[in-house]
Amino acid sequence: GESVGLHLPTLSVQEGDNSIINCAYSNSASDYFIWYKQESGKGPQFIIDIRSNMDKRQGQRVTVLLNKTVKHLSLQIAATQPGDSAVYFCAENIGGYSTLTFGKGTMLLVSP
Amino acid sequence: KAGVTQTPRYLIKTRGQQVTLSCSPISGHRSVSWYQQTPGQGLQFLFEYFSETQRNKGNFPGRFSGRQFSNSRSEMNVSTLELGDSALYLCASSLDGGARGDEQYFGPGTRLTVT
Repeated sequence: GESVGLHLPTLSVQEGDNSIINCAYSNSASDYFIWYKQESGKGPQFIIDIRSNMDKRQGQRVTVLLNKTVKHLSLQIAATQPGDSAVYFCAENIGGYSTLTFGKGTMLLVSP
Repeated sequence: KAGVTQTPRYLIKTRGQQVTLSCSPISGHRSVSWYQQTPGQGLQFLFEYFSETQRNKGNFPGRFSGRQFSNSRSEMNVSTLELGDSALYLCASSLDGGARGDEQYFGPGTRLTVT
């Protein structure tokens, strides 16, 4: 498959653990944030989003936390499964429309 | 509903040549964005097309260009290829490109290798 994981920080967890992936953003004008998951050989897949007027949003097994004071975003995955192994990217919207600025990504490795 | 498709999936070109990549968005989607993904630079925005017009452009040289057809299909072209253009080129489509709440769906990408 496609190798997108070179030069990326890696988080290794055991199946069933909770995972926390962090992301720092730089532009205080960003007002919309998205987490994407990218598996080998595939394009990024939408996981969850959050607007800047919120500090927490929950989905199925995932929670995104936004701290605008320190410009920090985190993705929490509950009861991590081997199928969660992938590269995770945060993205911020600056300037409207479809212009997304992506973070460098974190590789999540889940051991059975 | 069929997802975003990109052709070809793999491509090998020589320095100095040009290349055209194609993207077919999800039916009904009018916005198509292109991204370049490399291990060193990550995912970088190239440009976005909506209703056959380039609406946004990233910070890439003029060798990178694109267009969109009336059926929303899009092509991007890279002329005078350089080794550094080797990358995975991703296309994403959305209904109208309004990023706030308008989810972008990515295709599998075209892997371009320049030798």
